[in-house]
Amino acid sequence: GENVEQHPSTLSVQEGDSAVIKCTYSDSASNYFPWYKQELGKGPQLIIDIRSNVGEKKDQRIAVTLNKTAKHFSLHITETQPEDSAVYFCAALNTDKLIFGTGTRLQVFP
Amino acid sequence: SAVISQKPSRDICQRGTSLTIQCQVDSQVTMMFWYRQQPGQSLTLIATANQGSEATYESGFVIDKFPISRPNLTFSTLTVSNMSPEDSSIYLCSVEKVVGETQYFGPGTRLLVL
Repeated sequence: GENVEQHPSTLSVQEGDSAVIKCTYSDSASNYFPWYKQELGKGPQLIIDIRSNVGEKKDQRIAVTLNKTAKHFSLHITETQPEDSAVYFCAALNTDKLIFGTGTRLQVFP
Repeated sequence: SAVISQKPSRDICQRGTSLTIQCQVDSQVTMMFWYRQQPGQSLTLIATANQGSEATYESGFVIDKFPISRPNLTFSTLTVSNMSPEDSSIYLCSVEKVVGETQYFGPGTRLLVL
């Protein structure tokens, strides 16, 4: 079955810097890749997603890139702010099920 | 998007008892799912709640331990039966309006079993 690896597990950046989180997947049949942000005490919130027919998608300070050949996708956050501090999960849709990465705890220091 | 509510938001239970968690969506959805998130861990799919039929369970999860109901297109329940401290987790409901499309999550139910 599908396996999703996510790196790094923790990431600390200074406010205003960029943050990059990377995920790899194993099954080339996966065709949809969402990213979720989970704040303490809350459920995961979708922040951006990408389908396999697109290489890049951007929404204000957030962007996702997908390399189907290498089977990896990345989340890019520019001009980070303290409110970006949270746990971020990548996921891959495979046979109608979302397979999640292990999560990245992002801390943005003012 | 979809607005999802879960009840209770948190609970502390004694071992050997059972707890039923409710998930309500503000509009009809095709798919409803239940996940478990153990402390500091990622999300693990427990089962897909099927409207009008038995839920589809993932490997490692069984109906006797996690009975699920889905009487209509906006509501589902998950029961955690005969609880032990190892069941202490966050239980999350999620929905898809269209199969294979965006999945939205509820706020979660935080369960502590003593």
